[in-house]
Amino acid sequence: GAVVSQHPSWVICKSGTSVKIECRSLDFQATTMFWYRQFPKQSLMLMATSNEGSKATYEQGVEKDKFLINHASLTLSTLTVTSAHPEDSSFYICSPDLGLAGADTQYFGPGTRLTVL
Amino acid sequence: QKEVEQNSGPLSVPEGAIASLNCTYSDRVSQSFFWYRQYSGKSPELIMSIYSNGDKEDGRFTAQLNKASQYVSLLIRDSQPSDSATYLCAVNKPTLYSGGGADGLTFGKGTHLIIQP
Repeated sequence: GAVVSQHPSWVICKSGTSVKIECRSLDFQATTMFWYRQFPKQSLMLMATSNEGSKATYEQGVEKDKFLINHASLTLSTLTVTSAHPEDSSFYICSPDLGLAGADTQYFGPGTRLTVL
Repeated sequence: QKEVEQNSGPLSVPEGAIASLNCTYSDRVSQSFFWYRQYSGKSPELIMSIYSNGDKEDGRFTAQLNKASQYVSLLIRDSQPSDSATYLCAVNKPTLYSGGGADGLTFGKGTHLIIQP
């Protein structure tokens, strides 16, 4: 499968601070990156879809000004949680689009567990 | 009606038996269907993808798709204790702006499977 890394793997921060999560595709170029989050005991929920060099598209109910997504290169996408609050505590996971060769077969990064105190 | 539904379980199966996991979905436009395995605290791991009606086998795993009934299932033969995990059913989330690439996924809440030694 595709190799995807995320950094950090976990982070604890104070309420009101911002946290940046990096997602890197190590062995391929991803024009599209999907970002998901998973609350405890819940399933994964798609947050947004980002395309390299353009603005991300957010799912209904996801605040675009709070969850800033940057996809400046084909191997790096970042998610910044701005002014984080305890309700933002979740497991954030990226998933790259593998392109034509792997269309609709999605792999996931190892995830970043965010805890906001 | 929820978009992707699964029985949350737990489903308890003796070692060596067949585990049967079921999933229904509501969006008839969906064309791609996936089964993921997720261990506690980890990101999902792709088990099977299926796109056409019928059965698809891969080792001990068989995925079954019935688009008319909007039903997807996963059979695990010769169940092992290491198969104990939460199994997530996922369906592609077609959008107008996917540009022909992969779609994001809609997940069920997952079925917690326990294989009893």
